[in-house]
Amino acid sequence: QSALTQPASVSGSPGQSITISCTGTSSDVGVAYNYVSWYQQQPGKVPKLMIYNVSYRPSGVSNRFSGSKSGNTAFLSISGLQAEDEADYYCSSYSSSPLAYVFGTGTKVTVL
Amino acid sequence: EVQLVESGGGLVQPGGSLRLSCAASGFTFSNFWMTWVRQAPGKGLEWVANIKQDASAKYYVDSVQGRFTISRDNAKNSLYLQMSSLRAEDTALYYCARDHYASGSYDSWGQGTLVTVSS
Repeated sequence: QSALTQPASVSGSPGQSITISCTGTSSDVGVAYNYVSWYQQQPGKVPKLMIYNVSYRPSGVSNRFSGSKSGNTAFLSISGLQAEDEADYYCSSYSSSPLAYVFGTGTKVTVL
Repeated sequence: EVQLVESGGGLVQPGGSLRLSCAASGFTFSNFWMTWVRQAPGKGLEWVANIKQDASAKYYVDSVQGRFTISRDNAKNSLYLQMSSLRAEDTALYYCARDHYASGSYDSWGQGTLVTVSS
């Protein structure tokens, strides 16, 4: 059960768009279930669900956040970057072997 | 309002045991998979274990398999994590979370309870 691989940091200027990758294997991200979620964690706060089932947004999450998947890699895109988006972001995926879930290594997003 | 409140954390010596609890309110607890997630100080999130609505299925991360036991009491709206043979690397903030769509979609989290394993 190795953690999914994310870039350590991504940065962008206000108004720009950024994309965070989350790379796994055919046993987790690449599995057919499409059970990939994304979480935002601001300093000292509890994680917040931003995307579930690869591309669905929970009620109340800005439509500036979107998710997608290609093969063994999932992506979180943030458009119109805002100062409040500065946080750590984690992906998560179901794993079929062994049966469990696994988080990504986390990506620190900095708004320049 | 959905609320999850963890308790039971503290300082324990290596090899010791601890039982964490998570009290749920504001939703029908018995309808949801529940999960424990931990975060070591200054580190990332780590999925620990989950349990099906009727407790008929339970899964664990390899590093705690055989040492931790997840359980629930739907009559008391409570989730538990019995931890034994604790190691320094188990030191973390332990969160309980609700899996809203039974797909690893944790839409509600508690504030966490801190477990410190040290002599």
